[in-house]
Amino acid sequence: DAGVTQSPTHLIKTRGQQVTLRCSPISGHKSVSWYQQVLGQGPQFIFQYYEKEERGRGNFPDRFSARQFPNYSSELNVNALLLGDSALYLCASSLGGGLADTQYFGPGTRLTVL
Amino acid sequence: GEDVEQSLFLSVREGDSSVINCTYTDSSSTYLYWYKQEPGAGLQLLTYIFSNMDMKQDQRLTVLLNKKDKHLSLRIADTQTGDSAIYFCAESGPGRRALTFGSGTRLQVQP
Repeated sequence: DAGVTQSPTHLIKTRGQQVTLRCSPISGHKSVSWYQQVLGQGPQFIFQYYEKEERGRGNFPDRFSARQFPNYSSELNVNALLLGDSALYLCASSLGGGLADTQYFGPGTRLTVL
Repeated sequence: GEDVEQSLFLSVREGDSSVINCTYTDSSSTYLYWYKQEPGAGLQLLTYIFSNMDMKQDQRLTVLLNKKDKHLSLRIADTQTGDSAIYFCAESGPGRRALTFGSGTRLQVQP
């Protein structure tokens, strides 16, 4: 069975641009979460979506937005990119959106902002 | 708020046991996880433990939980060079949708 897939693998943007990252969850999983991992740190929670609705949001500015589609795939959008947005963006899927649902991570998209 | 702390670095010889430690602050933490991250890769779930357990064993991995001290450890028996990676401790609890991660412990296995 395929795991969580993310695209693109790498991305280079300049300050002020906008970026869209994509994630496909494990088949049968209905929840997707997004995390930002800055070099040398642990992942930080950005969003969780379950059944196409936002169920949780971390401490990130409104420049960050996301959505989940009827097939449970998800997009993360970041507007007006800053140098500090350079990071590995990780998508995790889980069966449901509950506490007991283990999150499985994809390989990530590495975003570099110049 | 929730906080998870780990030591930054651990070096062991191949064949020895490795013990990676983690402390957390939230007494309501319900699930505690260990993830492994190899260079340039995503996070691989290794194991998890529910807060009403004090030990869980899975092949070479043993997780110990001291809920009173809010201390979690991961023991890797017979450590191999392929175990070299960054290990993250994470926790979640009631009413929270997200995992809270530590900063990771880099395990270096020397031949």
